[in-house]
Amino acid sequence: DTGVSQDPRHKITKRGQNVTFRCDPISEHNRLYWYRQTLGQGPEFLTYFQNEAQLEKSRLLSDRFSAERPKGSFSTLEIQRTEQGDSAMYLCASSLKGGLQETQYFGPGTRLLVL
Amino acid sequence: RKEVEQDPGPFNVPEGATVAFNCTYSNSASQSFFWYRQDCRKEPKLLMSVYSSGNEDGRFTAQLNRASQYISLLIRDSKLSDSATYLCVVNLLTGGGNKLTFGTGTQLKVEL
Repeated sequence: DTGVSQDPRHKITKRGQNVTFRCDPISEHNRLYWYRQTLGQGPEFLTYFQNEAQLEKSRLLSDRFSAERPKGSFSTLEIQRTEQGDSAMYLCASSLKGGLQETQYFGPGTRLLVL
Repeated sequence: RKEVEQDPGPFNVPEGATVAFNCTYSNSASQSFFWYRQDCRKEPKLLMSVYSSGNEDGRFTAQLNRASQYISLLIRDSKLSDSATYLCVVNLLTGGGNKLTFGTGTQLKVEL
């Protein structure tokens, strides 16, 4: 257990519904990352926060996706009007700002299935 | 071309064998390199960083060749518990953060 928690662990939803996932990073970590992983692929970067500031978003993050980290602690990732192609594992990682060798610690992920 | 390419395997090896995984990356501006391990339906966990000088951690040895944009991982005396997917990861410092780019992973199965 790395100390990063995610909720829920599993979510089944119907196409067109909105879903929200939560990530609680390790308490002293000021950086928080979201990744998405589909079957047979490695995780893909979605977005990144330093404290409460969202500093980068991948082009994978369409307008239907939004992420927040309002107080620089936990973060939420919302997907609006879900599509079947959104089915994936959504992983959160946190780190303490460091150099190039900083370690990102991953949470257990939220597995989303869109029917 | 994918940014990080790995042979997906699976590599099926007997216990005690030595196995090597290779990985190539396309962005010459990549600045740091890692191997992560991922067990089935679990999150990725850092196995080791990779340095140009080569580095070793117990039975695991990692090597980086910047000129060839090539990364390797060697596992000696493999154990049943080494069965997992090994993800090659490169880091591109961007916007102040460390954006990890993962390969698809190489699956290892160690058998009795």
